[in-house]
Amino acid sequence: AQTVTQSQPEMSVQEAETVTLSCTYDTSENNYYLFWYKQPPSRQMILVIRQEAYKQQNATENRFSVNFQKAAKSFSLKISDSQLGDTAMYFCAFTKWAGWYRDDKIIFGKGTRLHILP
Amino acid sequence: EPEVTQTPSHQVTQMGQEVILRCVPISNHLYFYWYRQILGQKVEFLVSFYNNEISEKSEIFDDQFSVERPDGSNFTLKIRSTKLEDSAMYFCASTLRTDNNEKLFFGSGTQLSVL
Repeated sequence: AQTVTQSQPEMSVQEAETVTLSCTYDTSENNYYLFWYKQPPSRQMILVIRQEAYKQQNATENRFSVNFQKAAKSFSLKISDSQLGDTAMYFCAFTKWAGWYRDDKIIFGKGTRLHILP
Repeated sequence: EPEVTQTPSHQVTQMGQEVILRCVPISNHLYFYWYRQILGQKVEFLVSFYNNEISEKSEIFDDQFSVERPDGSNFTLKIRSTKLEDSAMYFCASTLRTDNNEKLFFGSGTQLSVL
């Protein structure tokens, strides 16, 4: 069974600083997707960034980037130049890829609550 | 960007009552899902639905739960006899297909409170 572990329940950083959120996962699958979802106080689930396991290049989306270490089963999220609007719960998530379909049963971690301080 | 719409945003019910949570997935999407999040806990998969039938369900999705796509646009989750532990945020999600990089779109959720 797949598991996703986020070891930091809560973090706080000053606005404009860079912050890294940690995530590790466990799977016997070779092909899969990893995600970071943001959940602001409105509780909507917003996809921040996605990484395909077969791609060696780390995904980036503007101020958001990941450090994907497949052998170590590690998938951290870096937020550069953090903004007050980045305050949210962040969930790391996993889904397997069967080669011809993507299983959208997503396995989520317990989340990291991130506070950006003015 | 297209949106998945969920109604109501909040629902309060008495224990033992039936509730129906409604979702309107993005119009050309074919795969539909329900997830739930108990306050302070992680988001959990409930059920996936494709071609008018359940594709997969979790152990949470017991006989008290059912899903339906009654009219080609709505996708509903029914809880037949609610329990206190059903109190949670319920998220609907949809995607066009699962054989490529199509992403999963989540709705804003329905907060269910069982009293």
